[in-house]
Amino acid sequence: AQTVTQSQPEMSVQEAETVTLSCTYDTSESDYYLFWYKQPPSRQMILVIRQEAYKQQNATENRFSVNFQKAAKSFSLKISDSQLGDAAMYFCASYAGGSARQLTFGSGTQLTVLP
Amino acid sequence: DAGITQSPRHKVTETGTPVTLRCHQTENHRYMYWYRQDPGHGLRLIHYSYGVKDTDKGEVSDGYSVSRSKTEDFLLTLESATSSQTSVYFCATGVGGTATTQYFGPGTRLTVL
Repeated sequence: AQTVTQSQPEMSVQEAETVTLSCTYDTSESDYYLFWYKQPPSRQMILVIRQEAYKQQNATENRFSVNFQKAAKSFSLKISDSQLGDAAMYFCASYAGGSARQLTFGSGTQLTVLP
Repeated sequence: DAGITQSPRHKVTETGTPVTLRCHQTENHRYMYWYRQDPGHGLRLIHYSYGVKDTDKGEVSDGYSVSRSKTEDFLLTLESATSSQTSVYFCATGVGGTATTQYFGPGTRLTVL
């Protein structure tokens, strides 16, 4: 079984500043993947970034990067140069294959970007 | 954009009525999923499909059934809707050989009165 925990229900950041969203996970699988999804007010779930557990290098997508600490089972998301359009609910998720091939989600962090 | 559409996008129904939600994809992906989203719970898996006529239960499958007669369509049915099934429902497809990455449709908001 997998669990994903996001301990920050809400966070805020000033426009152009940097913010880090926290996520911890637990899995018994050796091969797994981690994701951050963004859900703006439109409700659409948008994939932000993906990390393969077997890769030591942290994934980066433009202003978004992760800090993957495998031993600590930690997977935080850093947003640099925050923009108003970054305001959304952010979900951390894990995937460990097996027969279900399902994502397990955390409860989300609501990010507010202040002008 | 994984070419996923959901219909209807909004629905209000009454307790005890049957409801069917449709998910349609254009990318020929093998894996398809139905999730529900409730406050404080993130998204939880209801059912998934790994091929035509091949389906299995997820974490919160009670009260739901699914069918997949074509690769492109995955239907979610509430045989007798209850107020606890008021939720936002998302369809997703799994991309890649092992379906490790999932892309989501726009969601359906269902209200059961």
